[in-house]
Order: sequence, then C-alpha cells, then structure tokens
Amino acid sequence: EAQVTQNPRYLITVTGKKLTVTCSQNMNHEYMSWYRQDPGLGLRQIYYSMNVEVTDKGDVPEGYKVSRKEKRNFPLILESPSPNQTSLYFCASSLTYAGNTIYFGEGSWLTVV
Amino acid sequence: GIQVEQSPPDLILQEGANSTLRCNFSDSVNNLQWFHQNPWGQLINLFYIPSGTKQNGRLSATTVATERYSLLYISSSQTTDSGVYFCAVRGNNNDMRFGAGTRLTVKP
Repeated sequence: EAQVTQNPRYLITVTGKKLTVTCSQNMNHEYMSWYRQDPGLGLRQIYYSMNVEVTDKGDVPEGYKVSRKEKRNFPLILESPSPNQTSLYFCASSLTYAGNTIYFGEGSWLTVV
Repeated sequence: GIQVEQSPPDLILQEGANSTLRCNFSDSVNNLQWFHQNPWGQLINLFYIPSGTKQNGRLSATTVATERYSLLYISSSQTTDSGVYFCAVRGNNNDMRFGAGTRLTVKP
C-alpha cells in the first residue's frame, strides 16, 4: 500500500531537548516536504526536497533542520525545541515537484513545554 | 509568492443539502489539489485538478486555470462530510501553498 509514514504521531517534550520526527515514503517519490499547521494560520511549508541531497527552505524554516540522504526518508530535526514549535506537523511526498498528486502522512502532534 | 483564498471560511448545512466551495489563486499553477481534513487531523486527497472537471461520487471539482479559480461541489451532504476543506496550489516555484480552508459542518 502506497503511504507516507511519520513517527512519532504524538509527542510531548521539554524545551531544548533535541528531537527528530521521521518521515518515510514507499512510492519512490522524488519530492518530499514538511508542513506545520497552526490554528488560524493554515498549513505552512517548513522545508522541501526535490531529490536526494537537495533541500530548500519553505516559508517557516527557522528552528528546523532536514536531511535527505536516501530517497525514501526525510527526517525533520528540531535541535532545540521551543514552545512556539508546538504544532501539528505533516510530511508529504509526490513523484516530482510539479504536476503530481501530493500524498500526506497522518500528522505528528508535537507539544513543547 | 502565490496567494490562495478560499471562501466561505465557514459553512453550516443541513444533511442532504448541496454546497459549493471556492478557491481563488493569484498566479498560474501547475498543481492544484483539494483535501479534506477530518476531525482526527488526517488530510485526505480529494482531487488533483490543475484544470478541467472531475467527479468522484457525491463530490466534483472544476478548475478554470485561465481565470484562476477552482470550485468543489458537494451534493447531498452527509454528517461525515464535516471537517475542513483545503485547496492547495503550486505555482512556478517549488512550494505548495494552502488556502486557509473552509470549515464545513453538516447537521443531521
């Protein structure tokens, strides 16, 4: 079954404790991206990747890092989480960056206290 | 970057009613999708529709790319249709932009 898998789905963590949200897709997609969703602000793109070893900033990259060492994985790293990074995070992928359906993971609810 | 506006922001319907949701965008697009976010937060693909018309059961969508808008039609609405409907577009740069969504409530 074609899917985008995120982990963890739910996490409560403390300020400053590094964490990684993993994302994996099994569709051999080139394009992957991360979004955060906040009340009243909708979904905003954090980072995206056009292919292996190619990443670029989205609208709200501050406080986040990503890497794309393999085609199927695109982890989101919060080096020093802060309470303003409390949000619902989505990973997404598509075959290429243009002209293809985008598939979303189920979301990761992150709370930073 | 490209701007995406959805209307109405909120919509309350009685079960069985029909509705039309609108998405306006500010520039040419090579990708347009409609999503439904259910009460559990999951984003469900409804349509990939950068142009033309598609139908899937009680839902259909039309995008008029030259006039920079897309419409999502929901017929004979059911309570399970409740949630937030998002339009997302990709222009000539690489990022996908979302509208603010339409929150639909269908009452029994």
